[in-house]
Amino acid sequence: DAGVTQSPTHLIKTRGQHVTLRCSPISGHKSVSWYQQVLGQGPQFIFQYYEKEERGRGNFPDRFSARQFPNYSSELNVNALLLGDSALYLCASSLPQGVEEKLFFGSGTQLSVL
Amino acid sequence: AQKITQTQPGMFVQEKEAVTLDCTYDTSDPSYGLFWYKQPSSGEMIFLIYQGSYDQQNATEGRYSLNFQKARKSANLVISASQLGDSAMYFCAMREVDPGNQFYFGTGTSLTVIP
Repeated sequence: DAGVTQSPTHLIKTRGQHVTLRCSPISGHKSVSWYQQVLGQGPQFIFQYYEKEERGRGNFPDRFSARQFPNYSSELNVNALLLGDSALYLCASSLPQGVEEKLFFGSGTQLSVL
Repeated sequence: AQKITQTQPGMFVQEKEAVTLDCTYDTSDPSYGLFWYKQPSSGEMIFLIYQGSYDQQNATEGRYSLNFQKARKSANLVISASQLGDSAMYFCAMREVDPGNQFYFGTGTSLTVIP
């Protein structure tokens, strides 16, 4: 079975531009989460979606938005890019299991903002 | 306050030896989950082991075990019989149900296995 797939793997943008990152969850997983990992840090929670509804939001500005589609794939959009948005963006899928809910991650999209 | 604290930025271990990676956590929620993930240089986060706050026994998964000391709020990962392929970043994480069903990660420990 395919794992979590993310596209693109690498992306270079300039300040002020907009970017869309894509994620396909593991088959059968209805929840998708997005994380930002700056070099040398642990991943920071951005969003979680379940059944196309936002289930949680981290402490990120409104320039960050996301949505989940009927097939449970997801997009993360970032507007007005800043240099500080340069990071590895990780997508994870999961099955709702309360505190036991394990995240299964993709390989990430490396975003560089110049 | 930090939800997850990993105080060892880097660790070295001899191949075939055991190593302990430290993790402490902070929560007032009685129900929570603790996780360890491995991140090789490829970037993908790989789930290793899970411990629930109500679990009486320490979790084990093959060569990985979690030393759970609830009163001390620590959840250390023990890797036995280290292999060269264990060289990676290791992240401790916690899930709280309230609020927001968030998943918190520590800053990670870089483990290098020496032949």
